[in-house]
Amino acid sequence: SQKIEQNSEALNIQEGKTATLTCNYTNYSPAYLQWYRQDPGRGPVFLLLIRENEKEKRKERLKVTFDTTLKQSLFHITASQPADSATYLCALEDVKAAGNKLTFGGGTRVLVKP
Amino acid sequence: EAQVTQNPRYLITVTGKKLTVTCSQNMNHEYMSWYRQDPGLGLRQIYYSMNVEVTDKGDVPEGYKVSRKEKRNFPLILESPSPNQTSLYFCASSWLAGDNYNEQFFGPGTRLTVL
Repeated sequence: SQKIEQNSEALNIQEGKTATLTCNYTNYSPAYLQWYRQDPGRGPVFLLLIRENEKEKRKERLKVTFDTTLKQSLFHITASQPADSATYLCALEDVKAAGNKLTFGGGTRVLVKP
Repeated sequence: EAQVTQNPRYLITVTGKKLTVTCSQNMNHEYMSWYRQDPGLGLRQIYYSMNVEVTDKGDVPEGYKVSRKEKRNFPLILESPSPNQTSLYFCASSWLAGDNYNEQFFGPGTRLTVL
């Protein structure tokens, strides 16, 4: 079965710097890679998606890369702000599975200090 | 406002006492799922439904039941809860968006404690 790994250690970063999070997966299958943000006491919220044939995707201060050779996605928050403090989850969407099954990683907590 | 609602938000119960957690969405989504979130294990899918009367097991279905009699509702039933079902539960709905990707819309979560 698919296994998704994210760094379980919290990432502490100074305001204005770039935060980089890693998401590694084990098994290849035609896939999309999704990233979600989760604030304490709330459900995850979809941020963006990158397809396996895309190398990079940007949305405002967010940038995601997807390397199917390394089986890895990197998630960057540029010019980070204290409001970016949250847990970020990656999820691999298997487009050939029933219902486009999503498998989630454990999440990485980001703390941006002013 | 487009949303997924869950009730109750918090529940403390005892072993063996049947309970139901309700989930409702107002976005007319075909797909609905239940997840549990545990420290170190991330979000794991319990059951999902691709449409009315169509449900299937996710990764951790043991001890849970679901039903989908109406498109908007997808209740999670614990017939005989046990302490290992203490967890944070999320309901989610989704549709295959324009490029056929499965964007999940999550509810606010239900924190369940089974004593």
